[in-house]
Amino acid sequence: QQQVKQSPQSLIVQKGGISIINCAYENTAFDYFPWYQQFPGKGPALLIAIRPDVSEKKEGRFTISFNKSAKQFSLHIMDSQPGDSATYFCAASEGGSYIPTFGRGTSLIVHP
Amino acid sequence: GAGVSQSPSNKVTEKGKDVELRCDPISGHTALYWYRQSLGQGLEFLIYFQGNSAPDKSGLPSDRFSAERTGGSVSTLTIQRTQQEDSAVYLCASSVLETGELFFGEGSRLTVL
Repeated sequence: QQQVKQSPQSLIVQKGGISIINCAYENTAFDYFPWYQQFPGKGPALLIAIRPDVSEKKEGRFTISFNKSAKQFSLHIMDSQPGDSATYFCAASEGGSYIPTFGRGTSLIVHP
Repeated sequence: GAGVSQSPSNKVTEKGKDVELRCDPISGHTALYWYRQSLGQGLEFLIYFQGNSAPDKSGLPSDRFSAERTGGSVSTLTIQRTQQEDSAVYLCASSVLETGELFFGEGSRLTVL
């Protein structure tokens, strides 16, 4: 059972464009929603995270939008750059568990 | 080092052989995780260690897989009688639970011929 569904599987955008990756979850007990960025040959690294008490969190060009009623959250990358080309994973975990469930990942390519 | 260290970085083995993968977490991190990354399958949870508590083994795919953590630090993931479907990148991560952030190593790529 896939508890966190991520889409699209792959995404190609032009430099300067907006990249949008979406995730949906089923478990209403989830209370922590991080996004991880992974470059080839490297392990994933935390990019940005949100808790459900806010609907949006912004860090530089990266924004998480969170819709609790729809059980969805998304990552927006503004002014996408070739250096943003990587695989992005959304994840979710619930308090007391500390074991994140990851989406299947989105391969982002930003063309110069 | 300052990060999570995994070894070997690459391992090629023959079907039926046993393999051991090692993880050295960040000093002071009490939680340690193993995930498996297969192409198109994302990150599959395998096992979780927290301090001296019994590990959460709910993600181990079969009894050929086992892991231990010695002294609350270094962990070893063992795969017995490897099969071709075990080919994947095995990622280790550690964390300080209060932050929720996992710090991943660069992984051990296992290829079973």
